[in-house]
Amino acid sequence: EVQLVESGGGLAQPGGSLRLSCAASGFTFSDFAMSWVRLAPGKGLEWVSGVSGSGENTYHADSVKGRFTISRDNSKNTLSLQINSLRAEDTAVYYCAKSLEPYFDSLDPLDVWGPGATVTVSS
Amino acid sequence: QSVLTQPPSVSGAPGQRVTISCTGGRSNIGAGYHVHWYQQLPGAAPKLLIYANTNRAAGVPDRFSASKSGTSASLAISGLQAEDEANYYCQSFDSSLSAYVIFGGGTKLTVL
Repeated sequence: EVQLVESGGGLAQPGGSLRLSCAASGFTFSDFAMSWVRLAPGKGLEWVSGVSGSGENTYHADSVKGRFTISRDNSKNTLSLQINSLRAEDTAVYYCAKSLEPYFDSLDPLDVWGPGATVTVSS
Repeated sequence: QSVLTQPPSVSGAPGQRVTISCTGGRSNIGAGYHVHWYQQLPGAAPKLLIYANTNRAAGVPDRFSASKSGTSASLAISGLQAEDEANYYCQSFDSSLSAYVIFGGGTKLTVL
């Protein structure tokens, strides 16, 4: 069964850092690009970051560029999101999601999603 | 505010048919970019419903269908069931923005 499970969420202070992880199973992880998408309270889905299957190419939304870093370890079937300089507006549920292709393509749908990890930024 | 506009809410009685619109412009849906649809049940992760405008994802009942015309796309749900109560999002791409992936603002479907 294809499965994604996020971890690493929690309460963090403004200006602090957090690292989210996503454990993948049931498919050849390196064959697919991956993304992080977040859902803030009272808002809609927002794509945050994407990475190619090889990990060579990374992409970030303007709203998080310079603060968020996406990466992957294909030997451990793990996707990560390093979040620095946390802001209150980063409070959200963060989902990792799988693409259909090995290269990141904005046109592709996200066909498998994890249950999400909650990040709360508050002092 | 997304460039893909969805109604904040729609409702229908069990058994009825409802549609959810996703209105864009010439730099996104109107440019021919694919539209995908997701269902997010309360407390759950989003689930891919429809991809590439009209194709149902694996396991999605044929009560769900979608179409695209001009600068808009629509998701239709027929034979409405209580379990369909959820938030629905469209997704596409916009060539005029620096954003890689864009979602509509989401529509809350209430089954009366």
